[in-house]
Amino acid sequence: EAQVTQNPRYLITVTGKKLTVTCSQNMNHEYMSWYRQDPGLGLRQIYYSMNVEVTDKGDVPEGYKVSRKEKRNFPLILESPSPNQTSLYFCASSLYRGLQPQHFGDGTRLSIL
Amino acid sequence: QQPVQSPQAVILREGEDAVINCSSSKALYSVHWYRQKHGEAPVFLMILLKGGEQKGHEKISASFNEKKQQSSLYLTASQLSYSGTYFCGTNQGGSEKLVFGKGTKLTVNP
Repeated sequence: EAQVTQNPRYLITVTGKKLTVTCSQNMNHEYMSWYRQDPGLGLRQIYYSMNVEVTDKGDVPEGYKVSRKEKRNFPLILESPSPNQTSLYFCASSLYRGLQPQHFGDGTRLSIL
Repeated sequence: QQPVQSPQAVILREGEDAVINCSSSKALYSVHWYRQKHGEAPVFLMILLKGGEQKGHEKISASFNEKKQQSSLYLTASQLSYSGTYFCGTNQGGSEKLVFGKGTKLTVNP
């Protein structure tokens, strides 16, 4: 089944403790991206990647890192999480470019205390 | 720049029609429409590329006016299953970034 898989689905952690949210897709998509969703603010893009080793900032990249060492994986790293990063995070992928349909993962709810 | 969606919320009775608008202050290359039900991931509805085309998906269709930098989503004869939050996403100026609006919450009541 074609899908985008995120882990973990839920995480409660404390300020400053490094964490990684994994994202994997099995559709051989080149474009992958991360979004955060906050009430009243919609979906905001954090980072995107056009292909392996090619990443670029979205609208809210501060406090986040990403890497794209393999085509299928696009982990989101919070080196020193803070409470303002408490949010619902979605990973998405599309075939080639940002202007193609995005396939979203089921989301990861992060709470940072 | 985040596109502006209007209205922010709309309540319908089953069978009624609705229009959701998405406008941008920047030149648009494409407009995406997604629907998100509560507690779920957004689901793709359609993409419109510049050129003023209109697309349809069952009783849901959309238009894209490149000159006005806006798109509209039309929901006709609404069904209970149409309830959810609708987001437009835009590629501005040919960028690969995708910028979403804040969403329009649609509620369809029996």
